[in-house]
Amino acid sequence: AQSVTQLDSQVPVFEEAPVELRCNYSSSVSVYLFWYVQYPNQGLQLLLKYLSGSTLVKGINGFEAEFNKSQTSFHLRKPSVHISDTAEYFCAVSDRRRRDDKIIFGKGTRLHILP
Amino acid sequence: EAGVTQFPSHSVIEKGQTVTLRCDPISGHDNLYWYRRVMGKEIKFLLHFVKESKQDESGMPNNRFLAERTGGTYSTLKVQPAELEDSGVYFCASSQDGTGPSDGYTFGSGTRLTVV
Repeated sequence: AQSVTQLDSQVPVFEEAPVELRCNYSSSVSVYLFWYVQYPNQGLQLLLKYLSGSTLVKGINGFEAEFNKSQTSFHLRKPSVHISDTAEYFCAVSDRRRRDDKIIFGKGTRLHILP
Repeated sequence: EAGVTQFPSHSVIEKGQTVTLRCDPISGHDNLYWYRRVMGKEIKFLLHFVKESKQDESGMPNNRFLAERTGGTYSTLKVQPAELEDSGVYFCASSQDGTGPSDGYTFGSGTRLTVV
């Protein structure tokens, strides 16, 4: 079984400041890793994913995440946030053994951008 | 290409009533998934259809929930009778045959269900 922990339910950050959203996972099998974003009144959108290869993954809107196998972490970062980044961010995993398998999500982190 | 469509976008019903949510996947997508997010908690998997067959329904909370996918096209999720704890946002996602989250997995905007 897999589980995902997002330690921060809310993160306030000033505009143009850097941000890191933390994610740790637990799994007995090898997993794919994802970050999804939900903007206000919209559906879930894929930000980025780690499948294999380089542990630093770049996504849309200037976000990146680093896979750390030894720490079972997949933290999301952005060097300079904008007001439009206000959203809820979800870390997620899925089982590598089955490509059509379900996604296991964390509880989400709300990113509040302060002017 | 049209995305995954869900309706209604919002539904408010009284406890004990019946509600049916609908999901139209992207045309040609054999895989269809339902998820639910109860307020303050994580998004949880409910079930997975491959065409009209239920591949995995391990996440269905109880027998008040009935999911169908007639003809392998759109899917409905019926809650009967609805309870207060069923309130939340219900998401649908779809993907092509043989693919999943790692490649081409699209979510709908969700249906916000409020049971009062």
